[in-house]
Amino acid sequence: GESVGLHLPTLSVQEGDNSIINCAYSNSASDYFIWYKQESGKGPQFIIDIRSNMDKRQGQRVTVLLNKTVKHLSLQIAATQPGDSAVYFCAETPSGGYQKVTFGIGTKLQVIP
Amino acid sequence: SAVISQKPSRDICQRGTSLTIQCQVDSQVTMMFWYRQQPGQSLTLIATANQGSEATYESGFVIDKFPISRPNLTFSTLTVSNMSPEDSSIYLCSVDRGGRSDTQYFGPGTRLTVL
Repeated sequence: GESVGLHLPTLSVQEGDNSIINCAYSNSASDYFIWYKQESGKGPQFIIDIRSNMDKRQGQRVTVLLNKTVKHLSLQIAATQPGDSAVYFCAETPSGGYQKVTFGIGTKLQVIP
Repeated sequence: SAVISQKPSRDICQRGTSLTIQCQVDSQVTMMFWYRQQPGQSLTLIATANQGSEATYESGFVIDKFPISRPNLTFSTLTVSNMSPEDSSIYLCSVDRGGRSDTQYFGPGTRLTVL
């Protein structure tokens, strides 16, 4: 069936460096993509989103890139801080009113002080 | 965004018993969702709960095992019935505030351990 997956289950990054978390999706009908951050013992927290009519969107220290040709999504975190340590999930949903949101496997980001 | 609370935050239960988890939102929302997150894994949608209608369950989840109530636009409950150790998970509710955004906002989760 359709799925959303991640290339790297664990990513270790030195504090101050940039982090890149990748996600592949298989549903060509996907229209809306979201990145969530989940800290230990908490629910997922919305970080940034992007629609399929865009290929890049920037937030505070975060950038999401969307490559529809190869069905690839990435989250870039600039100047990674210890507080960025968490599990990051990509999620996608097709267009056309409410559709089921599908979550990827998740990548654990470890920031080394 | 939305402020979402869940009760209890965690519980340890005996096999064969049932637990009801509550989800409260700080404003009226059309759609509420219940997810299960098994240890070290991603989120799996259990069901969608709309006010005034029966919940819609995903494949692999049934109403007898996970009955859901949605009495109003700010509240929902999920019951995990006749629990077994395999039900040990984090259970999360989320809401979709509708409009142009399809973003779901999540509660803090309920960590359930079944002995």
